[in-house]
Amino acid sequence: NAGVTQTPKFQVLKTGQSMTLQCAQDMNHNSMYWYRQDPGMGLRLIYYSASEGTTDKGEVPNGYNVSRLNKREFSLRLESAAPSQTSVYFCASKRGVENTEAFFGQGTRLTVV
Amino acid sequence: DAKTTQPPSMDCAEGRAANLPCNHSTISGNEYVYWYRQIHSQGPQYIIHGLKNNETNEMASLIITEDRKSSTLILPHATLRDTAVYYCIVRVAGSARQLTFGSGTQLTVLP
Repeated sequence: NAGVTQTPKFQVLKTGQSMTLQCAQDMNHNSMYWYRQDPGMGLRLIYYSASEGTTDKGEVPNGYNVSRLNKREFSLRLESAAPSQTSVYFCASKRGVENTEAFFGQGTRLTVV
Repeated sequence: DAKTTQPPSMDCAEGRAANLPCNHSTISGNEYVYWYRQIHSQGPQYIIHGLKNNETNEMASLIITEDRKSSTLILPHATLRDTAVYYCIVRVAGSARQLTFGSGTQLTVLP
């Protein structure tokens, strides 16, 4: 059971470069989420998708775009990376809005130089 | 979602119970209390959640006070592998918006 899979695990970008972080889940979950975690801090929500075809902004959406490609996949795009976006990015999925647990991927460690 | 307050760090001896407190004095009637933990920069892991009754599963117990303004997560026999940051989160029932994580409590289990 793969659960939530994120690719890549590590990435170094130069300022101004673009890239897409990929996330896929195999649990047939409706809701998917992108968080970032800066050193010594809790997780902050960037964007979420309550169901296929919908996306909404979280706490810190500036500088990011998302695509809910299908029910399984939710990607996060940095169009023009900045050093302030150096962080660990976590994707999560959840069955739906009911009170069930969320499952997290292992994270993508991104450094922007 | 209601704000939560947790101590920044706690120690516990291996084999003893770890009791992690959380204050959520502004909690509303339809808000659940969730606990997650994060082991050394891995993805967070769900532990337990509850509304007003005490809950127990294979990992932990959750004790919620009668006025629901605070709760305690209990790891009955802490092991070294339980060393992690523990997050207490309050979430509105039926909300599509995901969990809001604070700074959590760094629990260190000592041999």
